[in-house]
Amino acid sequence: EAGVAQSPRYKIIEKRQSVAFWCNPISGHATLYWYQQILGQGPKLLIQFQNNGVVDDSQLPKDRFSAERLKGVDSTLKIQPAKLEDSAVYLCASSLQDYGYTFGSGTRLTVV
Amino acid sequence: AQSVTQLGSHVSVSEGALVLLRCNYSSSVPPYLFWYVQYPNQGLQLLLKYTTGATLVKGINGFEAEFKKSETSFHLTKPSAHMSDAAEYFCAVSDRVPGSNTGNQFYFGTGTSLTVIP
Repeated sequence: EAGVAQSPRYKIIEKRQSVAFWCNPISGHATLYWYQQILGQGPKLLIQFQNNGVVDDSQLPKDRFSAERLKGVDSTLKIQPAKLEDSAVYLCASSLQDYGYTFGSGTRLTVV
Repeated sequence: AQSVTQLGSHVSVSEGALVLLRCNYSSSVPPYLFWYVQYPNQGLQLLLKYTTGATLVKGINGFEAEFKKSETSFHLTKPSAHMSDAAEYFCAVSDRVPGSNTGNQFYFGTGTSLTVIP
């Protein structure tokens, strides 16, 4: 079984620029999550999709962050404009209706 | 609301010694509990999980954890540490409601970095 794919692995941008991350979940996984993991902290949920609908985006900074999941498969997370405090690892995860996620390797974003 | 507390952000043990990583949680409903491991520059990998049934849960790589409801704890242990166990460990609690079909939302602790000394 292929895992959760994320790209790019690393990204360095200047503040106020925009950036986009891509995630391809495990085939058949209806639920997809984006997490933000700041250095030294645990992952924090940004947004949760069920198929192509949003279940929870209460912690997504909607003034600068957006996410979509077209056709209930791949997902894109965008930041525009980026701030220094957005430097983090962005993790995508997917799950079936069981009790465990499968995480991707993440995208490490550095904002300078 | 659920929350997770991991006591000790850094733990060092000698190779071959017991590993004990502590996790306490708060939850308004019966919890589902998890331990994840994260190696440098990688995503999180599930070590083990407790949902229902036996309170002592065995996971991969020789790790196990025991759910103690009275202590609201889910500590992770391994009898003998190996150099390859050096990593970041995260405890997580899920707020999944039985019968829900919208998937889990996990609340993670802040992590414990395990160092294994040769």
